[in-house]
Amino acid sequence: SQKIEQNSEALNIQEGKTATLTCNYTNYSPAYLQWYRQDPGRGPVFLLLIRENEKEKRKERLKVTFDTTLKQSLFHITASQPADSATYLCALRGNAGNMLTFGGGTRLMVKP
Amino acid sequence: EPEVTQTPSHQVTQMGQEVILRCVPISNHLYFYWYRQILGQKVEFLVSFYNNEISEKSEIFDDQFSVERPDGSNFTLKIRSTKLEDSAMYFCASSKNLAGGGETQYFGPGTRLLVL
Repeated sequence: SQKIEQNSEALNIQEGKTATLTCNYTNYSPAYLQWYRQDPGRGPVFLLLIRENEKEKRKERLKVTFDTTLKQSLFHITASQPADSATYLCALRGNAGNMLTFGGGTRLMVKP
Repeated sequence: EPEVTQTPSHQVTQMGQEVILRCVPISNHLYFYWYRQILGQKVEFLVSFYNNEISEKSEIFDDQFSVERPDGSNFTLKIRSTKLEDSAMYFCASSKNLAGGGETQYFGPGTRLLVL
């Protein structure tokens, strides 16, 4: 069956450091992958989209990589700030259909 | 920046009652979605809607659920006879299209539904 796995343990880092979050998937051929931020009790907020034929995407302090051979995406936040503390979700969309399948999310805590 | 809006923000209902959750998608978007998130669990797809009909639905979206676009701006999710296990946060999302740069799904703030 299809699986999308994110590290369920919280990631604690010091302000100013780079946070790296991982999304692994199995039995899936995604057309693209998206990263969202979710704060408690709020809806997912779109951050970045990367397509199957792209290796890397950047937006300000954010960087996403996509390795379809390893079936993995890495999400980096450079120069992290306490305001970056949230849960980060990866979501995949396959080549057929338009539903997004979400991972369980990784909670990031940035300490001042 | 345009946003997806949802009402109400919170809804409490008795088991067996009907509820209607409302959404106003982003105005030039053509694809509409409902997802739900049970407390502490993953966001799960329910249904997608395009051109006034359902284009895809999950196993969760059984006969108790229905969707409608009653006018040019609203998109609704109806749960006919609520069960305790329907308690969750329900998110509406919309996208411009399915490819070519407009496929990003933008989510609303959610409606927290509690079934007693």
